[in-house]
Amino acid sequence: GESVGLHLPTLSVQEGDNSIINCAYSNSASDYFIWYKQESGKGPQFIIDIRSNMDKRQGQRVTVLLNKTVKHLSLQIAATQPGDSAVYFCAGTLQGGKLIFGQGTELSVKP
Amino acid sequence: DTEVTQTPKHLVMGMTNKKSLKCEQHMGHRAMYWYKQKAKKPPELMFVYSYEKLSINESVPSRFSPECPNSSLLNLHLHALQPEDSALYLCASSHFPRRNTGELFFGEGSRLTVL
Repeated sequence: GESVGLHLPTLSVQEGDNSIINCAYSNSASDYFIWYKQESGKGPQFIIDIRSNMDKRQGQRVTVLLNKTVKHLSLQIAATQPGDSAVYFCAGTLQGGKLIFGQGTELSVKP
Repeated sequence: DTEVTQTPKHLVMGMTNKKSLKCEQHMGHRAMYWYKQKAKKPPELMFVYSYEKLSINESVPSRFSPECPNSSLLNLHLHALQPEDSALYLCASSHFPRRNTGELFFGEGSRLTVL
């Protein structure tokens, strides 16, 4: 079936290092992807999005890369800070236009 | 601070109770959503309202009853719930109800415990 999934459930990085969180999807018809950050006790917060006609998009300290050939999406966080500690979800539009979330990666930043 | 407001933040109810979760947004969004999230799991779509009409019901049991009184408000009525329904219930809204290519704005959620 259609799915959006993340490669690793947890990721631990040193403060100041760059973080890379990966996501794979199965539906080649997906045309829109979003990365969300969810801190403990809060709702998901939009980070960055990308459409399928792009392969890269940059925000403040974050970059999303889309490789449609291998159906892979990644979120890169530059100079990771303790405030970046959270669960990160990728989400993609699948059949019917619904937004489906991947399993999530918990990012821990070590001081 | 989120612009989607959910109340109550916490709710404990028995299996015979009737309660409601409420959600409000004043961003002029015409699509509103209910998601259910279990611990350490991604949000799962329950319902979508588009222009105050129910457009998607993800085969949710009838003990969950959504209502959209107007374009700013979304309710989720709860009746005869089971302990396994305990979860974080998230409300979201967006600009584009059908194409779904817009960002979803989430509230902080209502944490429900069913005893």
